[in-house]
Amino acid sequence: DAGVIQSPRHEVTEMGQEVTLRCKPISGHDYLFWYRQTMMRGLELLIYFNNNVPIDDSGMPEDRFSAKMPNASFSTLKIQPSEPRDSAVYFCASTKTRALPNTGELFFGEGSRLTVL
Amino acid sequence: KNEVEQSPQNLTAQEGEFITINCSYSVGISALHWLQQHPGGGIVSLFMLSSGKKKHGRLIATINIQEKHSSLHITASHPRDSAVYICAVWSQGAQKLVFGQGTRLTINP
Repeated sequence: DAGVIQSPRHEVTEMGQEVTLRCKPISGHDYLFWYRQTMMRGLELLIYFNNNVPIDDSGMPEDRFSAKMPNASFSTLKIQPSEPRDSAVYFCASTKTRALPNTGELFFGEGSRLTVL
Repeated sequence: KNEVEQSPQNLTAQEGEFITINCSYSVGISALHWLQQHPGGGIVSLFMLSSGKKKHGRLIATINIQEKHSSLHITASHPRDSAVYICAVWSQGAQKLVFGQGTRLTINP
């Protein structure tokens, strides 16, 4: 299996621009998570989906952030408009569980490093 | 106080030494994960524990549910073990994964 695939690996953009990050989870996994990692705050959960449905988006910082999962093999995280404080590494992870997302091993993508100037 | 606390925050050791990284948590959990992140790299899941002990190669992870504590041990440490090790717990209350701040391990040859 190719693992969790994220794109782009690196993105540099100017403040005010729209940013779209993409994730392809491992085939057959029914949970998908978006995390953000910064030096100051470490890893933070932004949102997670179960069977393509958003379950918990309480970690999404502002209305400028949105995430979608139109099908089981694709998810996007969009920031519009972007700000310098959004600069971080954004990780996507997926897992397959029988009942709850607490019993499956997590598989992370390589991350998307975003720099907003 | 963070719900997940790791110690030490930074650890430097010589090749071959036995390494222990600790994780304490204050919430009810369903499972605990140990993750490894190399500099500039992605995150790899090392272990997922809900009780007892697991071993994989030179890595051993233990958890004591009653004491709300877990340890990650590395035997015969090697410079390639240099990475940030992150403890994360699935909080039953918050129904989400809560991360520790990470332990930066450096193994010198």
